[in-house]
Amino acid sequence: EAGVVQSPRYKIIEKKQPVAFWCNPISGHNTLYWYLQNLGQGPELLIRYENEEAVDDSQLPKDRFSAERLKGVDSTLKIQPAELGDSAVYLCASSPAWTSGYYEQYFGPGTRLTVT
Amino acid sequence: RKEVEQDPGPFNVPEGATVAFNCTYSNSASQSFFWYRQDCRKEPKLLMSVYSSGNEDGRFTAQLNRASQYISLLIRDSKLSDSATYLCVVGAGSYQLTFGKGTKLSVIP
Repeated sequence: EAGVVQSPRYKIIEKKQPVAFWCNPISGHNTLYWYLQNLGQGPELLIRYENEEAVDDSQLPKDRFSAERLKGVDSTLKIQPAELGDSAVYLCASSPAWTSGYYEQYFGPGTRLTVT
Repeated sequence: RKEVEQDPGPFNVPEGATVAFNCTYSNSASQSFFWYRQDCRKEPKLLMSVYSSGNEDGRFTAQLNRASQYISLLIRDSKLSDSATYLCVVGAGSYQLTFGKGTKLSVIP
């Protein structure tokens, strides 16, 4: 079974430029998450999708960040314009439906963003 | 107070040693508890869930104390391949997970 796919794996951009990250979750996983992970920190949730609906975007900085999951499968996270402080790893994860009180989030390899 | 706090680490231990990681959480309504493992420059992967009765998976034992809001992970007979960062993860709802900063473990030959 293929895992969560993310691209690109690495991205270097200058500040004020736009950038976009793409994620394809595991087939059949309705829930998709975007996390941000800074060096030495745990992942922090940016947004969670249930199918095509963003059900939790309270931590997404909406002045510069946007996300979409138009057909309820793959998703795109965009930053415009990027700032130096956005340098981090952006992780995508997916999970199956909640069953029996147990679930697991499967993470993609992440996109390492460097803003110069 | 941070929602999930872990030992700052790093832990440097010789092969064969027993090492214990501690974690506390602040939300008393938390319902699910996990340990994830993250290798250097890799994505986090689920190591094990943590149940109230405690659970064991080979050399790994996880414990949960709801009254003290405390979670632990014990690794016996450490292997070089156990070197990684261990993330304490707490779930407050069906899909909401909060990650700790992680504790880095280095197992030395």
